[in-house]
Amino acid sequence: DGGITQSPKYLFRKEGQNVTLSCEQNLNHDAMYWYRQDPGQGLRLIYYSQIVNDFQKGDIAEGYSVSREKKESFPLTVTSAQKNPTAFYLCASRATGGPDTQYFGPGTRLTVL
Amino acid sequence: GNSVTQMEGPVTLSEEAFLTINCTYTATGYPSLFWYVQYPGEGLQLLLKATKADDKGSNKGFEATYRKETTSFHLEKGSVQVSDSAVYFCALSDAGANSKLTFGKGITLSVRP
Repeated sequence: DGGITQSPKYLFRKEGQNVTLSCEQNLNHDAMYWYRQDPGQGLRLIYYSQIVNDFQKGDIAEGYSVSREKKESFPLTVTSAQKNPTAFYLCASRATGGPDTQYFGPGTRLTVL
Repeated sequence: GNSVTQMEGPVTLSEEAFLTINCTYTATGYPSLFWYVQYPGEGLQLLLKATKADDKGSNKGFEATYRKETTSFHLEKGSVQVSDSAVYFCALSDAGANSKLTFGKGITLSVRP
């Protein structure tokens, strides 16, 4: 089955700790995206990557970092500099050069205590 | 910049009622338009899309028509079911190579038996 996996589904961390969220896809998509979702708000773009070893900041990149060493993987690190990290994080991917539809993973709910 | 405005929610309907969820957008160029659905605790699923003016997207009884003259992409369904209860997001994809998505705030639909 092709798809996007995110792990873990629920994550708890103490304030001041960095935490890394996993996103893996086996759709052979070039582009990958990270979004943050807060109650009553739409999704906001954190980072995106169009190709391996390249990524760009989205609208709310402060306090986050990413890497794209493999086509299949796009991990997101929530650093201690992120002032309000508790949220639902969604990863998406898209095939470039074709339809511009993004496909989403199941999400990770991060709670910082 | 791009923006998407959805009608305020939540919306509560009885089963078999007619559904309309309004969505208007502001964008440069010719964006693609999407409706995504999110069931409780899950990621987003693509419901339907339209890529150019006057296109109609449809899926699972839902429809939306890309209206460039009114910059709208309203979602409709003739007869809702309890299983349609979810959060619905309208989104647009910019016309550039990055195809970043801009989301509305989402609207919660509850369908009672």
